[in-house]
Amino acid sequence: DVKVTQSSRYLVKRTGEKVFLECVQDMDHENMFWYRQDPGLGLRLIYFSYDVKMKEKGDIPEGYSVSREKKERFSLILESASTNQTSMYLCASSLVRGQETQYFGPGTRLLVL
Amino acid sequence: AQSVTQLGSHVSVSEGALVLLRCNYSSSVPPYLFWYVQYPNQGLQLLLKYTSAATLVKGINGFEAEFKKSETSFHLTKPSAHMSDAAEYFCAVSSFGGFKTIFGAGTRLFVKA
Repeated sequence: DVKVTQSSRYLVKRTGEKVFLECVQDMDHENMFWYRQDPGLGLRLIYFSYDVKMKEKGDIPEGYSVSREKKERFSLILESASTNQTSMYLCASSLVRGQETQYFGPGTRLLVL
Repeated sequence: AQSVTQLGSHVSVSEGALVLLRCNYSSSVPPYLFWYVQYPNQGLQLLLKYTSAATLVKGINGFEAEFKKSETSFHLTKPSAHMSDAAEYFCAVSSFGGFKTIFGAGTRLFVKA
């Protein structure tokens, strides 16, 4: 079974803090993704990576950055957390782009006070 | 460009009744289409996917969906709802070689006893 794990299920941070969300997959997948999920908006892509050290902006990259130093690990960084970044963050991975299933982690619910 | 519209943010059915969740897509290239399910406090998991083979796709837990190109639809059905089907369902579209998967806003299914 593919397993995607995320470092925290729940996180509470203060405005202005630097926040790290980590994601690890164990299936040697090439592609990894970070989404945020908000009620009524579905999933919106923040960043994705199709190879180690490669990254591409998604639809809502502002206020976020990412790091992929190893194939299995993809980190999302909030440089200076703001209250409008309070959300559920989902990491996913896939073997092949496009038609391939994405495998999701359980999510991190982030509250920024 | 691709997009997905899920009709109805909430659907309520009685246990044993037909489940119908609607999804319409827009795509300028042949699409790949997915239905994912999200149970409370979990990540998304794949229910089924269409990747240009049979237009009627069968998935897990008794769900199926039919790709109708003329109607640009990919509605999800299950003949008889079970209490355990209560969850949020997401329709998604991507394309061959494409990096991005576009998700709909989601439909929350309630099942009444």
